Amino acid sequence: GQQLNQSPQSMFIQEGEDVSMNCTSSSIFNTWLWYKQDPGEGPVLLIALYKAGELTSNGRLTAQFGITRKDSFLNISASIPSDVGIYFCAGRARDNYGQNFVFGPGTRLSVLP
Amino acid sequence: DVKVTQSSRYLVKRTGEKVFLECVQDMDHENMFWYRQDPGLGLRLIYFSYDVKMKEKGDIPEGYSVSREKKERFSLILESASTNQTSMYLCASSDVGLVSNEQFFGPGTRLTVL
Repeated sequence: GQQLNQSPQSMFIQEGEDVSMNCTSSSIFNTWLWYKQDPGEGPVLLIALYKAGELTSNGRLTAQFGITRKDSFLNISASIPSDVGIYFCAGRARDNYGQNFVFGPGTRLSVLP
Repeated sequence: DVKVTQSSRYLVKRTGEKVFLECVQDMDHENMFWYRQDPGLGLRLIYFSYDVKMKEKGDIPEGYSVSREKKERFSLILESASTNQTSMYLCASSDVGLVSNEQFFGPGTRLTVL
């Protein structure tokens, strides 16, 4: 079946640093989503991408839909302590009614003061 | 505001018990999903439903069943709980259509089976 890989698995950064993480797939996707999960909570959608090459921002977060349609990237600028959490990518190969997303294993981000 | 609620945040059950996890969404969404989340494995789809009384198996349906009698409610059932079903269970819902792909998640139910 389809699989997503996320890199890195975890990262420790200093407050104020920029963060980059990526998500790769063995299949071509038509949609990419990035979620953040705070400890003890469900994932919350950060950014949705629908077109190859698309670059979308949400505050300090920027995500890109890779040109090959097999990858996506998330950048966080000037990290703050509340950025701590697990970041998940999710991709969907088809745009048909009811088709499902595949989720990556997540990147765990820790921000040191 | 979009809302998905789950009946319990924490649940402890014994092996062999029948367990019901309830999920309710107030967004009139067609699609609803049940995932389990385990460290290092991310979210894995158990079952989903794209309409009332409709259900489809996800990637790991064994040991689970679901019920969708009303549009807003999607229940996950563990007929006979086992220790390997200890996990975080997440419910999600989404609208239909090409653009409305986003899944909205509930807060999760952390189930421990002893």
